[in-house]
Amino acid sequence: DAKTTQPTSMDCAEGRAANLPCNHSTISGNEYVYWYRQIHSQGPQYIIHGLKNNETNEMASLIITEDRKSSTLILPHATLRDTAVYYCVNASKLTFGTGTRLQVTL
Amino acid sequence: DGGITQSPKYLFRKEGQNVTLSCEQNLNHDAMYWYRQDPGQGLRLIYYSQIVNDFQKGDIAEGYSVSREKKESFPLTVTSAQKNPTAFYLCASSAQSGNTIYFGEGSWLTVV
Repeated sequence: DAKTTQPTSMDCAEGRAANLPCNHSTISGNEYVYWYRQIHSQGPQYIIHGLKNNETNEMASLIITEDRKSSTLILPHATLRDTAVYYCVNASKLTFGTGTRLQVTL
Repeated sequence: DGGITQSPKYLFRKEGQNVTLSCEQNLNHDAMYWYRQDPGQGLRLIYYSQIVNDFQKGDIAEGYSVSREKKESFPLTVTSAQKNPTAFYLCASSAQSGNTIYFGEGSWLTVV
């Protein structure tokens, strides 16, 4: 079963980079890794996705290891509004797990 | 304004009653999904549909039913057989299964 594993919670100081890890050791070669975030009591929001190469967009960067067994979502300059639960998802499996609760503090 | 619309936002029902949650999308997406979220927990897949007139059970389908008669609509019925129906329900869609998933704002169901 291609599950993802994430730390339960993390803290980050405002203005610093937030690095959120995800293990997906059983992901298949053609399965994308997606990242979403959910602010309390709202629907999750898409952040970024990737297959093999590192990706960057206006919200974040995604670093995927060469063996594709893990990835890291990077929020380069975290703000208080980035406080949320972040989910690493195997797109083909549609499962979200419990995610990482990121708390950004002053 | 394009997106996914769930209604109602808040719903209260008595135990033993069936209730139907509405989900409509105008994104022209083929795939649609229903998730359940309990407080402090992640999302669990109830049902999904990859195309009109077809749907599959997810991880926690017992006590729920769906239909997909139109591309833009994927209603979820919470039946009296669902033992603990009080939860936050999220509808979502994607162009195709495996693509980026877009979520609605969710519906809170409270059964008393």
